Amino acid sequence: QTVVTQEPSFSVSPGGTVTLTCGLSSGSVSTNYYPSWYQQTPGQAPRTLIYSTNTRSSGVPDRFSGSILGNKAALTITGAQADDESDYYCVLYMGSGISLFGGGTKLTVL
Amino acid sequence: EVQLVESGGGLVQPGGSLRLSCAASGFTVSGNYMSWVRQAPGKGLEWVSVIYTGGTTYYADSVKGRFSISRDNSKNTLYLLMNSLRAEDTAVYYCAWYSSSWYYFHYWGQGTLVTVSS
Repeated sequence: QTVVTQEPSFSVSPGGTVTLTCGLSSGSVSTNYYPSWYQQTPGQAPRTLIYSTNTRSSGVPDRFSGSILGNKAALTITGAQADDESDYYCVLYMGSGISLFGGGTKLTVL
Repeated sequence: EVQLVESGGGLVQPGGSLRLSCAASGFTVSGNYMSWVRQAPGKGLEWVSVIYTGGTTYYADSVKGRFSISRDNSKNTLYLLMNSLRAEDTAVYYCAWYSSSWYYFHYWGQGTLVTVSS
């Protein structure tokens, strides 16, 4: 059974840069998986950040960027701000109508 | 303005059934892919189901055979019928407009809580 992997937690200093990754338990992530990224704060619905690897959703600031790094999808936040402290989820499209969420990364800004 | 408003959540006993609704505005459910995603308390997000414009449906293995996704085009509303509910189905259920071009969750509702407990 394929699992989408994410770092459980990460920490970044205000103003710093952090890169979160999204991998597969077996195989490499490519653009063919249409990786997307979502931000969620407690008690709120997810917010769409990035789709199709590196396209920012409407209204998302350009300090959020997506890419493929090696064999994983990546979300980079440059100039981290206090309100970036959230859970971040990646999703990979596996084909045949199936989407798989990663377990999420809890980002702390301190 | 796009809006998705879920309803129908609540407390149900194990083995029971519940139907969730998601009223859409600002776009047509019939002309777009629509999906359900859930989140158990303190856990991550989990994809549940999707319905394509042509009516084709797909389900996560965890709900296959128990849940059914459908839509009413006249009411511009998406549904999720949940049967044989288990304690592990306890979650906030979100409906989402799913992009057919780029395979991502484009817009999200605010969610409705389903609690399965005796």
